[in-house]
Amino acid sequence: EAGVAQSPRYKIIEKRQSVAFWCNPISGHATLYWYQQILGQGPKLLIQFQNNGVVDDSQLPKDRFSAERLKGVDSTLKIQPAKLEDSAVYLCASSFDPTSGAMEANVLTFGAGSRLTVL
Amino acid sequence: KQEVTQIPAALSVPEGENLVLNCSFTDSAIYNLQWFRQDPGKGLTSLLLIQSSQREQTSGRLNASLDKSSGRSTLYIAASQPGDSATYLCAVRGPSNTGKLIFGQGTTLQVKP
Repeated sequence: EAGVAQSPRYKIIEKRQSVAFWCNPISGHATLYWYQQILGQGPKLLIQFQNNGVVDDSQLPKDRFSAERLKGVDSTLKIQPAKLEDSAVYLCASSFDPTSGAMEANVLTFGAGSRLTVL
Repeated sequence: KQEVTQIPAALSVPEGENLVLNCSFTDSAIYNLQWFRQDPGKGLTSLLLIQSSQREQTSGRLNASLDKSSGRSTLYIAASQPGDSATYLCAVRGPSNTGKLIFGQGTTLQVKP
């Protein structure tokens, strides 16, 4: 089974520039998550999709961050304009539909992450 | 607001030692608790998942316990090996199966040969 694919793995930009990250979840996983992990901290949920609808984006800084999941498969997370404090690893994860009641729906599979450095 | 804390932040042990990692959470209304492993430059790998109705789960040399009423979980690693060196994160989901997964900051473990 192929894992969660993310690209690019590394990105260095200057503040006020824009950047986009791409995620391809595991086939059949209806739920997709974007997390931000700042060095030394645990991951923080930015946005959660169920198919192509947003379930939770309460911690997404909407003035600069946007995300979309076209056709309920791939997803893109964009930052524009970037700030120094956006330097972090952006993790994408996917799972089966948590409302399905299936045990495996609780297990998230994470991608390797995209490391962003803002100078 | 749920907060998850992991102590210690870092731990170094000699190979072969048994060890315990701690996780505490402020709101006992959780749906489940998970332990993850994160290797440098890589994503998270799920190790164990404990439902709120369970007390513990075991996988190989790993044993995770849950005391929901006191807001605590422990991850016990038996006979540690250098390959166990990684950051271990606990996360709680709640109050329902659609709740957010809230992570602790992790414990970085180094097992010395």
